Amino acid sequence: QSMVTQPPSVSGTPGQRVTIPCSGSSSNTGSNYVYWYQQVPGTAPKLLISRNDQRPSGVSDRFSGSKSGISASLAISGLRSEDEADYYCAAWDDSLSGYVFGTGTKVTVL
Amino acid sequence: QVQLQQWGAGLLKPSETLSLTCGVYTMSFSGYYWSWIRQTPGKGLEWIGEINASGSANYNPSLKSRVAISVDTSKKQFSLKLTSVTAADSAVYYCARLLVTGAFDVWGPGTTVIVSS
Repeated sequence: QSMVTQPPSVSGTPGQRVTIPCSGSSSNTGSNYVYWYQQVPGTAPKLLISRNDQRPSGVSDRFSGSKSGISASLAISGLRSEDEADYYCAAWDDSLSGYVFGTGTKVTVL
Repeated sequence: QVQLQQWGAGLLKPSETLSLTCGVYTMSFSGYYWSWIRQTPGKGLEWIGEINASGSANYNPSLKSRVAISVDTSKKQFSLKLTSVTAADSAVYYCARLLVTGAFDVWGPGTTVIVSS
C-alpha cells in the first residue's frame, strides 16, 4: 500500500556513515515535508527528523536529513551499535489527504 | 514529559468492533491533533486518522467507512473505534500526538490487537 519506498536494509561498520534513501511521488515527498522515525524493535517509533532536516531537541547531531525533489535521505554518521533499528520516512500525501509512511529500512551495524 | 497511555481489548473475533482509548498525561490537550497509527509486518506503518480537541477528525480514506475517532476533553482522552474487523486488522495500534509542524512527536507504547475466530 505504501507509496513511499525505502531499501529493506542498510548496513555499516562502527564509525561509518550510512545513508537511507526515501523515494515517493509528487503528491507526497515531492510537495510536502519529510519526517524520519527510528524504531527499536518492540518499542514505539521515535521522531528523529522533522520537516526534511530539523532535529528535535535531544536527537544526536549524528543524524541528518535532506530532501531533493521527490527523494529524501537520512544520514547517520559515526555509526554506533545503538543505531541498530528500523527507520521510516513519512510525509503528508495530497492525493490521500493523509500521512503515508515509507516501507522502512533496517540498519545493521556489522 | 508528555506521556500517552493506551488501553483496550487485544483479542477480537471477526466482525467485532475494535475499541481503544489513549490518555494524555502531563501536557495540554488543546492545540494539537491526536492520531492513531497502526503497524503490521506486511503493510508497515499506516496512518488511521486524527482528531483535535474540538472534535474535528480526518480519516484514512481506505478505512473511513469503518473508523471513528472521538475525543473527551474533560478526561484528556481520545478513542478509536474500528468496526467489522477482519484478520487484516490485526496489528499494533499506536496513539500519537501530531504537532502543527506535521511531526508525530510523542507516541503511546502500542497495543497489540489480534483478530481471530
